[in-house]
Amino acid sequence: ILNVEQSPQSLHVQEGDSTNFTCSFPSSNFYALHWYRWETAKSPEALFVMTLNGDEKKKGRISATLNTKEGYSYLYIKGSQPEDSATYLCALGMDSSYKLIFGSGTRLLVRP
Amino acid sequence: SAVISQKPSRDICQRGTSLTIQCQVDSQVTMMFWYRQQPGQSLTLIATANQGSEATYESGFVIDKFPISRPNLTFSTLTVSNMSPEDSSIYLCSSQQDTQYFGPGTRLTVL
Repeated sequence: ILNVEQSPQSLHVQEGDSTNFTCSFPSSNFYALHWYRWETAKSPEALFVMTLNGDEKKKGRISATLNTKEGYSYLYIKGSQPEDSATYLCALGMDSSYKLIFGSGTRLLVRP
Repeated sequence: SAVISQKPSRDICQRGTSLTIQCQVDSQVTMMFWYRQQPGQSLTLIATANQGSEATYESGFVIDKFPISRPNLTFSTLTVSNMSPEDSSIYLCSSQQDTQYFGPGTRLTVL
């Protein structure tokens, strides 16, 4: 069974704090790594798709890095805001079928 | 990007009944997927629904329990049949374009 692990499970931070989460996956099974942001009652929002070892992507205050050799990706949020409160999901694409295997997510709560 | 809508957004159903969830994409797409998230669990792929072919189910999911239709390139339905409380989940559809886009989900509670 292929496991995608995310840590921590949940995180409470103060507004203005910077934070980061981890996604771990088996390095031998890799095609693409996706990050999503999911707010309750809304569609999961695609943040990043990364495919190359050493990839680094940025969207506003959010950035992500990828290490395919050791099987992990980090998501960073700089200067967290209350509107960043959501569950952050990573998902592994294993092949060109586009099927995704999701981690259980990191639930972020940013206190004003 | 894609805008995906789902109906219903939520429902409460009695065990033994069936519910059909509709998924509409705002553009034509070849590949659509159905996922579910049981309480406390990860999003899990149920099946791949490509237009013009039978849906392909993942291990642990069968057509009799989760029949899927894909009548055209913008629409799909998932039926949850003969429901039990274990089917209480959030069901999401998605479409594959430059990345995978998701609908807002259908929150199902089975009593």
